[in-house]
Amino acid sequence: LAKTTQPPSMEAYEGQEVNVSCSHTNIATSEYIYWYRQVPHQGPQFIIQGYKDYVVNEVASLFISADRKLSTLSLPWVSLRDAAVYYCIVTGYNTNTGKLTFGDGTVLTVKP
Amino acid sequence: GALVYQYPRRTICKSGTSMRMECQAVGFQATSVAWYRQSPQKTFELIALSTVNSAIKYEQNFTQEKFPISHPNLSFSSMTVLNAYLEDRGLYLCGARDRANSDYTFGSGTRLLVI
Repeated sequence: LAKTTQPPSMEAYEGQEVNVSCSHTNIATSEYIYWYRQVPHQGPQFIIQGYKDYVVNEVASLFISADRKLSTLSLPWVSLRDAAVYYCIVTGYNTNTGKLTFGDGTVLTVKP
Repeated sequence: GALVYQYPRRTICKSGTSMRMECQAVGFQATSVAWYRQSPQKTFELIALSTVNSAIKYEQNFTQEKFPISHPNLSFSSMTVLNAYLEDRGLYLCGARDRANSDYTFGSGTRLLVI
């Protein structure tokens, strides 16, 4: 499984756009990139997934570099509710091997 | 939408006793269920991955003898922590998904305190 590296923490003000980077230099061709976040007293919540290029949904967008070794999660207009630990995970496609390995994540602090 | 309910939300057990926790999937078929433990320091450990009609795969340092898991159908799974001790405390999370490459939906966890 590819190891991921994220900044340990980030700060932003409400209304700002936040970009959280993730390095996965050893990502395999079979692996996808997932982003989850966890707020206190809750389990991780899925945000977005991608394989290459650019993915967008109603919550966030995900940019993946051409060599797939770097991805950036973009959160537009963050609010206080976006304060959480954000986890970047790479994992395989197959059901039996697609286990999620959580690293230390990025702690996002949002200031009013 | 897809939801996962875990109960109890928190529990306290005496050292050396056992505790069973349950995981219910609503709105989707829980073909695969992953059980995690999140330590008080927030570190995640995968305990085991269960897929319906396949053997349950335990991770290193976790055994069926200590953490027996049941996954009898596409909506329910349970796990028991046998002979719980202080090092077993933490937040036990159940994550489920319906097919390969789909995202996992997690419950809010069962917080285990051992005294």
